[in-house]
Amino acid sequence: QITLKESGPALVKPTQTLTLTCTFSGFSLTTSGVSVGWIRQPPGKALEWLALIYWNDDKRYSPSLKARLTITKDTSKNQVVLTMTDMDPVDTATYFCALPRYNNYIVHWGQGTLLTVSS
Amino acid sequence: DIQMTQSPSSLSASIGDRVTISCRASQGISNSLAWYQQKPGQAPKLLLSGTSKLESGVPSRFSGSGSGTEYTLTISSLQAEDFATYYCQQYFGTFWTFGQGTKVEIK
Repeated sequence: QITLKESGPALVKPTQTLTLTCTFSGFSLTTSGVSVGWIRQPPGKALEWLALIYWNDDKRYSPSLKARLTITKDTSKNQVVLTMTDMDPVDTATYFCALPRYNNYIVHWGQGTLLTVSS
Repeated sequence: DIQMTQSPSSLSASIGDRVTISCRASQGISNSLAWYQQKPGQAPKLLLSGTSKLESGVPSRFSGSGSGTEYTLTISSLQAEDFATYYCQQYFGTFWTFGQGTKVEIK
């Protein structure tokens, strides 16, 4: 059974750096072809893809957020970590980690973690 | 960037109605399109991939069609459990983009 679970702070202040962790089970990020991604959703708004990391450590970032994002993996812990710098209230959102099929569309989602950016 | 434009942004429909949601890409995406259903407080659920391939367990009243830049999700006979928000997603480009969503409400 495949599961993904996001963890991180519920609240950060503007200008701070956010660190979110996705802990997964039921698959391995050392398997060829596998990737894990992050998507966010501001309250009442649309989904926005953020970043993707592949089994071979290749990485993809949203062009609009690339300067602020870093995605890494720790295969020994079955974790993927997303950091986002210079947080702003507009970054308030539910952040999901996800396992895509063939690195394309998302079959498995985490439950999401709600982050509020406020002073 | 490939932009995805969904329409309408919301619609009201009755049980049993046929519902159609459109998604337009800013450039051709070669059928690399998925549709998701999202209910409040839940993660999205994959309905279709590759424009028209129904995901296992998804009712056959859901169908997808399209090509090039124009794609459509159809619900042939709306059921109570279908009231939700629907998103399209392209995976043709180097990175994914989602449509703005279509909220299907009860008339």
